[in-house]
Amino acid sequence: AQSVTQPDIHITVSEGASLELRCNYSYGATPYLFWYVQSPGQGLQLLLKYFSGDTLVQGIKGFEAEFKRSQSSFNLRKPSVHWSDAAEYFCAVGGYQKVTFGTGTKLQVIP
Amino acid sequence: DTAVSQTPKYLVTQMGNDKSIKCEQNLGHDTMYWYKQDSKKFLKIMFSYNNKELIINETVPNRFSPKSPDKAHLNLHINSLELGDSAVYFCASSQDRGWNSPLHFGNGTRLTVT
Repeated sequence: AQSVTQPDIHITVSEGASLELRCNYSYGATPYLFWYVQSPGQGLQLLLKYFSGDTLVQGIKGFEAEFKRSQSSFNLRKPSVHWSDAAEYFCAVGGYQKVTFGTGTKLQVIP
Repeated sequence: DTAVSQTPKYLVTQMGNDKSIKCEQNLGHDTMYWYKQDSKKFLKIMFSYNNKELIINETVPNRFSPKSPDKAHLNLHINSLELGDSAVYFCASSQDRGWNSPLHFGNGTRLTVT
């Protein structure tokens, strides 16, 4: 069975600073990887996905993520965070006929 | 224009009652899901339907019964509600039945059992 670990429960960054959210996965084959964002009171929205090819993928809202097979990681990055980025971020892996989510990282942005 | 809509948004009820949550998607997707998000934000799949056929049932108590009258609708009925059922329930849909298809989520139904 697949699993996802997001080691950081809560991260605080200053507006304008860079951001990296960590994600490690476990899966026996080539994974399908996703990052979703959840704003308060909302459902999850897809930020980006990786299936194959270029290991650096671009997403919406200026986010990008890099797949590193050797480290089983798929970290999410943004060069300059905006106050509106404050939300919960979920990494997910697709396999064995379902998508499994990590426990999420809550991002707080301070002025 | 809402892609995946679920009702109601909030549901407060007492232990032992029966309640239903409805979900509809207008994306033309073949697969629909129910996910449960607990108080710690952990998101776990409960059921998945593809073209009205149940394809995933993740060891959910049989008090939970999904029903898909057509591929655009997936409802969730819960019998004999318990305190532990309190959570946010999300409906989602995807183009295909696979694990490589991005999910489109509704805004959730917050169920509170007292």
